[in-house]
Amino acid sequence: GAGVSQSPSNKVTEKGKDVELRCDPISGHTALYWYRQRLGQGLEFLIYFQGNSAPDKSGLPSDRFSAERTGESVSTLTIQRTQQEDSAVYLCASSRGLAGFPGANVLTFGAGSRLTVL
Amino acid sequence: AQKVTQAQTEISVVEKEDVTLDCVYETRDTTYYLFWYKQPPSGELVFLIRRNSFDEQNEISGRYSWNFQKSTSSFNFTITASQVVDSAVYFCALSGRYTGANSKLTFGKGITLSVRP
Repeated sequence: GAGVSQSPSNKVTEKGKDVELRCDPISGHTALYWYRQRLGQGLEFLIYFQGNSAPDKSGLPSDRFSAERTGESVSTLTIQRTQQEDSAVYLCASSRGLAGFPGANVLTFGAGSRLTVL
Repeated sequence: AQKVTQAQTEISVVEKEDVTLDCVYETRDTTYYLFWYKQPPSGELVFLIRRNSFDEQNEISGRYSWNFQKSTSSFNFTITASQVVDSAVYFCALSGRYTGANSKLTFGKGITLSVRP
């Protein structure tokens, strides 16, 4: 697609429920990143995909968080047994990700998925 | 480890004033990339600029200019003749690699700029 698409744009859930957040990167972008932005805070790195592999999961805050990517395209971030501290905007970004391409490491961000855990 | 510090948290100026947003970074990499992103009230981050560590030339794009100084590990952003539409949160970010592992961006906490008419 023309831009990075994320769904849902808003999600309200009850504590303890599982949620799935989806990201459709720009077509042809091999690198995909998930970030978390708590209210009034900066962006916190969660995970990076190159193709369908995740060589850097260092930012996932706990084992309740997981992510996958299929077809070198869509990615899903899953949060199990949500807690109130999980409330945040979850941002997805993609980039060309391959050396030799101009702007390979310029991230294009989606509008985010706002998660509220009651 | 990489670190980006944006010491200013909130700046308020009157339209047409010039404003400089500061960014200081820490990295052990000899090759790295610096970025500025804008996050308007709508929430979607907008890419403004990328510089690599080998290019210390200052850059100007319209009312925007950037000053990169390796000696002080700073990458400051100046908006000349600010406008109300410049009101946003501005993030400085650092990446250690062009592609692959460590290509992720490390962000500062952001600076909220308010431009009053």
